[in-house]
Amino acid sequence: AQSVTQLDSQVPVFEEAPVELRCNYSSSVSVYLFWYVQYPNQGLQLLLKYLSGSTLVKGINGFEAEFNKSQTSFHLRKPSVHISDTAEYFCAVSGNDAGGTSYGKLTFGQGTILTVHP
Amino acid sequence: EAGVAQSPRYKIIEKRQSVAFWCNPISGHATLYWYQQILGQGPKLLIQFQNNGVVDDSQLPKDRFSAERLKGVDSTLKIQPAKLEDSAVYLCASSLRRPSYNEQFFGPGTRLTVL
Repeated sequence: AQSVTQLDSQVPVFEEAPVELRCNYSSSVSVYLFWYVQYPNQGLQLLLKYLSGSTLVKGINGFEAEFNKSQTSFHLRKPSVHISDTAEYFCAVSGNDAGGTSYGKLTFGQGTILTVHP
Repeated sequence: EAGVAQSPRYKIIEKRQSVAFWCNPISGHATLYWYQQILGQGPKLLIQFQNNGVVDDSQLPKDRFSAERLKGVDSTLKIQPAKLEDSAVYLCASSLRRPSYNEQFFGPGTRLTVL
């Protein structure tokens, strides 16, 4: 079974500071990893995804994430945050079972609220 | 390209009443998902459709929740009767095909409050 743990429920930072939102996952076989952002009263928007290949993935709005298979982590980073990055961020995992059948569904972490202060 | 549409955006009901939510996915998307997002938690899949067939409804409380996608396009999710613990945001998402790597596009959600 898949599971996702986001290690920080809230992360406060000042504008223009770097930020890292941590995500660990567990899955028995191949995984696909995603980061979504949710602004207040809106649906989820995809920031970036890891499917295969390079372990460093670049997404929208200057965000990037690194897939680390040995540590089963997929941490999200941004070198300099803006006030408009204030939102809730969700890490999610999908994948295939041992027989190669696609799950299709996403399993989400609990979310990390990023608050950027001026 | 129009996104995933959901209605209503907000709904307040008394416990034991019934409620229905509607979702229209992105045109051409074969797979449709309903998620429940309780305050302070990540979304949890309730049901997944591939065209008009159910792929996964293992986490749907079938004694009170039902969902259909009769023509393989739009979908409705119903709760009857509602309980206090059903208060949540109900998100609809769609993807082009079923495989795990297909990006899911989310609608704005319906916020349900059960009093």
